[in-house]
Amino acid sequence: GQNIDQPTEMTATEGAIVQINCTYQTSGFNGLFWYQQHAGEAPTFLSYNVLDGLEEKGRFSSFLSRSKGYSYLLLKELQMKDSASYLCAVMDSNYQLIWGAGTKLIIKP
Amino acid sequence: ETGVTQTPRHLVMGMTNKKSLKCEQHLGHNAMYWYKQSAKKPLELMFVYNFKEQTENNSVPSRFSPECPNSSHLFLHLHTLQPEDSALYLCASSPGQGSYNEQFFGPGTRLTVL
Repeated sequence: GQNIDQPTEMTATEGAIVQINCTYQTSGFNGLFWYQQHAGEAPTFLSYNVLDGLEEKGRFSSFLSRSKGYSYLLLKELQMKDSASYLCAVMDSNYQLIWGAGTKLIIKP
Repeated sequence: ETGVTQTPRHLVMGMTNKKSLKCEQHLGHNAMYWYKQSAKKPLELMFVYNFKEQTENNSVPSRFSPECPNSSHLFLHLHTLQPEDSALYLCASSPGQGSYNEQFFGPGTRLTVL
């Protein structure tokens, strides 16, 4: 079967760095997405990786290793507004997104 | 504001009621999706429409009936639902189906079935 694993919850301190991991087993691979979802709001797109390596976008970076079935989202200089759930999703061979259950990130002052 | 709107935002219905959820996208996209989001569970893809044609139905019970009259509008008709159908129903759209087609989500309809 297809499976996406990510931690359920993480806590970090304002101003610090946090890394959210995602491992996957899917039938085929057409890219990996990270979305942010604040409580009661729509998920919003953060990043897309299809080749191995690091993609940097401001305070957020996303890394992919296809051979290991592994990705991480790195958040730097954490702000209180970064408190949200972070969803990892992989596009399979049928171009469907397979989603993880999300990681709830709690930022403390 | 993502360019995808959903109404109503909240809905409470009994098991014998019939109701409809509406989604509209103002992005000129060709693909639209219905997802179910339950607490602490992954998003479950329910239906996909591409150029108004249904391309996916992920074994969804027949008490959920989608309708896509044009590329901008998507409906989810509900009838004789069960309490376990209570969840957040999210609509999304993308330029098309295929790799690197970022999906844009609406705010969702919080459904409670009594």
